[in-house]
Amino acid sequence: DADVTQTPRNRITKTGKRIMLECSQTKGHDRMYWYRQDPGLGLRLIYYSFDVKDINKGEISDGYSVSRQAQAKFSLSLESAIPNQTALYFCATSWSGDTQYFGPGTRLTVL
Amino acid sequence: DAKTTQPPSMDCAEGRAANLPCNHSTISGNEYVYWYRQIHSQGPQYIIHGLKNNETNEMASLIITEDRKSSTLILPHATLRDTAVYYCIVRVARNFNKFYFGSGTKLNVKP
Repeated sequence: DADVTQTPRNRITKTGKRIMLECSQTKGHDRMYWYRQDPGLGLRLIYYSFDVKDINKGEISDGYSVSRQAQAKFSLSLESAIPNQTALYFCATSWSGDTQYFGPGTRLTVL
Repeated sequence: DAKTTQPPSMDCAEGRAANLPCNHSTISGNEYVYWYRQIHSQGPQYIIHGLKNNETNEMASLIITEDRKSSTLILPHATLRDTAVYYCIVRVARNFNKFYFGSGTKLNVKP
């Protein structure tokens, strides 16, 4: 079984809809991260969490929110999706800022 | 974090060693060199990391020059499944800094 899982793997939605992407991990790591990747580009950090009570904005947090429901769960929400949020979204985990391990990704399309 | 420079693409024959270079001339003394790869929109996969000594694991070897301004990732016997984008990243371990992925090197392993 995968250590970092993401649901859904693919999602197509319409402009203005609220969307939630979920991430779960069984690695026991304290830190979790959300990244997005646009075609042909590297990953950009959206939000990160050091633990369930510590949430921090990354470089591109506008239009997104997160919730750390438990140490093992970190969800990303798009309150009102727009087309330029169409991208690949990756969740990652690490132990105290060490090596990050990534989930398989969610491909989101906003029409 | 120090920035890195990688060639945009490289070819390698199947079964031969793939040597992927990375320049990081502004690296600081406490920054590690990490390598990840991404196979066709899958989640980035951790390969190896090191500080100043050469490192080897079951996937690859990492050679860091004595002045630490450059490094080389070596895949000893490349297979078609090693075709991917390879990212060289420098960061301070055990301290939060996001992974700056950049554009990476697209390695094409050919039969």
